Amino acid sequence: GESVGLHLPTLSVQEGDNSIINCAYSNSASDYFIWYKQESGKGPQFIIDIRSNMDKRQGQRVTVLLNKTVKHLSLQIAATQPGDSAVYFCEVGTGGFKTIFGAGTRLFVKA
Amino acid sequence: DAGVIQSPRHEVTEMGQEVTLRCKPISGHDYLFWYRQTMMRGLELLIYFNNNVPIDDSGMPEDRFSAKMPNASFSTLKIQPSEPRDSAVYFCASRWGRERPQHFGDGTRLSIL
Repeated sequence: GESVGLHLPTLSVQEGDNSIINCAYSNSASDYFIWYKQESGKGPQFIIDIRSNMDKRQGQRVTVLLNKTVKHLSLQIAATQPGDSAVYFCEVGTGGFKTIFGAGTRLFVKA
Repeated sequence: DAGVIQSPRHEVTEMGQEVTLRCKPISGHDYLFWYRQTMMRGLELLIYFNNNVPIDDSGMPEDRFSAKMPNASFSTLKIQPSEPRDSAVYFCASRWGRERPQHFGDGTRLSIL
């Protein structure tokens, strides 16, 4: 069946280091991918997205990589800061609407 | 620029009571989603609307749950009767068009005693 999963439910990094959060999906027809950040007491907030015709997209301190061959998506955060501590979700869209959210990865940033 | 607005932010009520959660989407957005988030099950899609019409309610747990969208600027999620296992954070999100990020409200934390 269709699924979206995360390799690491919890990630702890030192302030200033780079963080990598991973997401695997199962439907090869998936064509739109989004990363969200959820801070305590708030709803998920959009970080960055990528479509299936791309394999990399960069934002401010964040990069999303898409490997369609192995159906894997990653979010890289450069120079991780304490304010990056949150839960990160991937959302995988297929065929224009149907989407699935991953379970989430909690990122801890150690000062 | 107002985001998605949900009310109430917190709700504590006794088992068997009716609960109504409210959502005002971002103006101009044509999709509206209701989610439930728990530690055990993560973020679950309950139902979504397109242009005020319910499209997929397969995630609604049971008949005790119902959702309406009487107009483009308002939606409700109702639980009647409520049960302790309904305790969760309920999120509303809206989106303009397809293949766009969703905009989430800050959620309603529901506790059923």
